[in-house]
Formats: sequence, structure tokens, C-alpha cells
Amino acid sequence: GAGVSQTPSNKVTEKGKYVELRCDPISGHTALYWYRQSLGQGPEFLIYFQGTGAADDSGLPNDRFFAVRPEGSVSTLKIQRTERGDSAVYLCASSLTSGPAGELFFGEGSRLTVL
Amino acid sequence: DAKTTQPNSMESNEEEPVHLPCNHSTISGTDYIHWYRQLPSQGPEYVIHGLTSNVNNRMASLAIAEDRKSSTLILHRATLRDAAVYYCILRIQGAQKLVFGQGTRLTINP
Repeated sequence: GAGVSQTPSNKVTEKGKYVELRCDPISGHTALYWYRQSLGQGPEFLIYFQGTGAADDSGLPNDRFFAVRPEGSVSTLKIQRTERGDSAVYLCASSLTSGPAGELFFGEGSRLTVL
Repeated sequence: DAKTTQPNSMESNEEEPVHLPCNHSTISGTDYIHWYRQLPSQGPEYVIHGLTSNVNNRMASLAIAEDRKSSTLILHRATLRDAAVYYCILRIQGAQKLVFGQGTRLTINP
């Protein structure tokens, strides 16, 4: 079945490097979300797209983090000048509807390790 | 963000029912109650949601208190596969994001 696909599943990088994480949502889902999850914690909201536009980016921790969704489908989360504290699992989710009753479908995540 | 309170952990036995409680005393009239669970090394998975009435689906039942200040997720017959972290989340009208708390870590004993 075509669920939410995230690549890479694992990424190891060095402090200061640039990283891109990709999310391929379920076809037809207009809403797309990025979360990150540190060990032992619940997922933390980063950004939400409705179509091509970022409707809520209030969770992005600082200006090193940026996300795009140029054609309203695939999204890329970009992290510049990575720091060790960026190490986490980055989760993507998509939803058919953005209303309060809508169900989010999550991918398996991209595990980022910054050495 | 509207807050929920859940026990950090619970334990149950295989093939027995499990009742996972959630308090949400500041809920407003248009907030939906959502439950997600997260199995080890996987992304969260939708379980069930409701507004005012009790809800049943193939995975679980959701019992909502009459005053809506609390709810209970019911797994009718737990299996080892149900061992996961269960998150109770209020989805606010007009707010698109889900705000996850710490959840309840459910352990199922064989």
C-alpha cells in the first residue's frame, strides 16, 4: 500500500553539515506535517503545509530549519549547519483533510544523527 | 494548547481488557479527542477520535465522560502487539496541528 514514505531512513552527518530529509505523502493528501521526536519524548510539531504554502511554521526551532513543498506533494525538510542537538527522528505525516476530525498518517521517520 | 494528562505507564495481561485514562479538564466545546499510538521504531498510528458520543471501531472504543473533562480508551482484548505508547490529544477547532504529550507506555504481559 502507498503510505507516507520518508527518505533516508537513517542519516549520519557531521556537525556543521547541511542535511535534506524527504517526505512523499499519500497521493491526494493536501495537508502535510513535519514533527521531530527525541528519545523518550512525544513528537514535537515543526511545520504544517496546506498545499504548497506553509500555513503554520511556529514549531521550527530557529532559522537553520526550513521546509518546502513546491508542487503541493513531496516536501523537503532542510537543516543548515547541523548541531548535535538536532539529532532526532524526523517524522512526516499527511492528511486528506485539515479539519479537526481528520486523521494523520505518519511515515516511519528519518533518524538523523549529528556527530 | 489544550492540555491532557495521562499516566506515564500502565501494565496489563494478554487477552484482558485495558482501560487507558486521559484527563482534559480545560477542553472546550469544539475540541475533538484523538488517540494515537506509537509502536517501537514506528511513526504514530491513528487509533480513534470522538467529540461527544462514545465511539467504536475495529481497533478500540472511546468512552467520553458526560462533561467531556475525561475520556478512556478501551482495548477490549489486549495482544502483545498492543504494547505501545498511547497518546491522548485534543484537536482544537481551527488549529491544524496535533500537539503530543508524553503519552502512556502500555506494557502487555504474556
